[in-house]
Amino acid sequence: GAVVSQHPSWVICKSGTSVKIECRSLDFQATTMFWYRQFPKQSLMLMATSNEGSKATYEQGVEKDKFLINHASLTLSTLTVTSAHPEDSSFYICSASPLTANYGYTFGSGTRLTVV
Amino acid sequence: AQKITQTQPGMFVQEKEAVTLDCTYDTSDPSYGLFWYKQPSSGEMIFLIYQGSYDQQNATEGRYSLNFQKARKSANLVISASQLGDSAMYFCAMREGRIYNQGGKLIFGQGTELSVKP
Repeated sequence: GAVVSQHPSWVICKSGTSVKIECRSLDFQATTMFWYRQFPKQSLMLMATSNEGSKATYEQGVEKDKFLINHASLTLSTLTVTSAHPEDSSFYICSASPLTANYGYTFGSGTRLTVV
Repeated sequence: AQKITQTQPGMFVQEKEAVTLDCTYDTSDPSYGLFWYKQPSSGEMIFLIYQGSYDQQNATEGRYSLNFQKARKSANLVISASQLGDSAMYFCAMREGRIYNQGGKLIFGQGTELSVKP
């Protein structure tokens, strides 16, 4: 139980286009989800907290208009990277809190984004 | 604000030996939780062990144990009998506030890359 499914696993897009990443909680309801960004050999940096039915809370320094987050249901949060540029290439990973597993956090498998 | 620090970018250990990965933290909240995760090259985050701020005893999970020194604000991970499959990135993380709250965010340290030598 307590599975978070993240899609796609990897995506290559052209510079200037937008990319949507989905994060679904499969067997529990998640009022809150978290989006992280990770560069190679570096830490997971929290980008934003996604709240069901309300606006996301972004961490300092994260561009809200660049990284659009929508949490329209209790099982789905999406991250859209708008007008992607090569510097947006990174590993994006989501997390949710089922409260019943791993003391509160389950992670998606991540999305490797390459902007060319 | 909460802060997590891992000062060992990389560590080497001989197979079957024990290794300690360091983690220090800072928070003003008396209620917090400390986590260790393993991240192999595939990128998945594997939960290893958890320690609550009010837990009296150090957490243990199989070959993993957490050396929790609250006064020193440290939460080191000890891996006993290292195996080749233990080679990965290891992250210490902290969450402020009570654990049964979906809104609490998890903040990660810089990570330590562990390499196990045969």
